Amino acid sequence: SQTIHQWPATLVQPVGSPLSLECTVEGTSNPNLYWYRQAAGRGLQLLFYSVGIGQISSEVPQNLSASRPQDRQFILSSKKLLLSDSGFYLCAWRGTGPQETQYFGPGTRLLVL
Amino acid sequence: AQRVTQPEKLLSVFKGAPVELKCNYSYSGSPELFWYVQYSRQRLQLLLRHISRESIKGFTADLNKGETSFHLKKPFAQEEDSAMYYCALKVTGFQKLVFGTGTRLLVSP
Repeated sequence: SQTIHQWPATLVQPVGSPLSLECTVEGTSNPNLYWYRQAAGRGLQLLFYSVGIGQISSEVPQNLSASRPQDRQFILSSKKLLLSDSGFYLCAWRGTGPQETQYFGPGTRLLVL
Repeated sequence: AQRVTQPEKLLSVFKGAPVELKCNYSYSGSPELFWYVQYSRQRLQLLLRHISRESIKGFTADLNKGETSFHLKKPFAQEEDSAMYYCALKVTGFQKLVFGTGTRLLVSP
């Protein structure tokens, strides 16, 4: 069966420091991958999605970037964190069939101080 | 532009009462809608999708294209239904979902 992992689970970083959050999927190949930020009262905001290795679509201009170095690995990065980057980050994957839906990881809680 | 609106941030009901979580959408294409649920300390997960026309955990949702709505309903709420509920719209051709801001359902004994 398919599983999705995210790490770390929790991260506290100072303003201006770099960021790297990792997401990996097992049990499937060529999935679509997604990064969301979940904030209270603002719902789920799609940040990036990828339909293949090296293919990244950015949804909103921001201080973050994403990369997909391998088929089942999706990385969210920043060179210099801002206070406003604090939040709960969710990774999701979706199969490529027409009826497929998205499956979410456990999330990473990021606190920028 | 595509948009999903969930007007209620919090819905509080007593056990056994009917529940309706509202969802309205704005989309120029043929809509495909979903409800996701996040229970306390659990992952966000799919509850139901309109194309399946099924009832999950007693919940149903009917797509009303005239009113551009996809409200989630349950005739008798249970305490274990307490969770965060998100309505989502699939954007055809872009392989992505647009989510609403979510409604927290609290079912009291």
